[in-house]
Amino acid sequence: DAKTTQPPSMDCAEGRAANLPCNHSTISGNEYVYWYRQIHSQGPQYIIHGLKNNETNEMASLIITEDRKSSTLILPHATLRDTAVYYCIVDNAGGTSYGKLTFGQGTILTVHP
Amino acid sequence: SQTIHQWPATLVQPVGSPLSLECTVEGTSNPNLYWYRQAAGRGLQLLFYSVGIGQISSEVPQNLSASRPQDRQFILSSKKLLLSDSGFYLCAWSEQGHQPQHFGDGTRLSIL
Repeated sequence: DAKTTQPPSMDCAEGRAANLPCNHSTISGNEYVYWYRQIHSQGPQYIIHGLKNNETNEMASLIITEDRKSSTLILPHATLRDTAVYYCIVDNAGGTSYGKLTFGQGTILTVHP
Repeated sequence: SQTIHQWPATLVQPVGSPLSLECTVEGTSNPNLYWYRQAAGRGLQLLFYSVGIGQISSEVPQNLSASRPQDRQFILSSKKLLLSDSGFYLCAWSEQGHQPQHFGDGTRLSIL
């Protein structure tokens, strides 16, 4: 199973971009990179996912390196409400019809005024 | 749009008592359904998943069971709760295939 490595914590000033890195050097060719976040005492919230190409949605951008061994989640203008634990996950369900997410410890992002 | 409901939000149960947590999804059909548990200060652990009615797969051996009596209903049960069953239980759904999972608000279960 492909595993991910994330820094345990990061800080960001409100209004600035938050860049959260993730290493997944053992990722396989058909495995997607997913990002979720969990605000205290709530269920995880899906943010974005990708396979090879960079992706952008209303919440964030996902930059995946060409060798797919690492990725960066970018929150372009962080707000206090973005303070949460951010999880980078490689979907390791292979060719099955269901997703199997393995949540690690994630990165605690603290956005300060 | 699709929504997922879990209840109750919090639950305090004595050791040895039964458990039933319910999860329902609206606005979609034939979803994949999942039960996760998060112990205090730790990551989420997948307990069960279901790709269809009556089809349940268990990821880890435990004191819990799951059932899917209807297409959009997923139930987590136990006949006799243990202290180690305490935790934050989360239900999630996704479309078939490699699609994002969407989580409910969870049930915080405390065993006394």
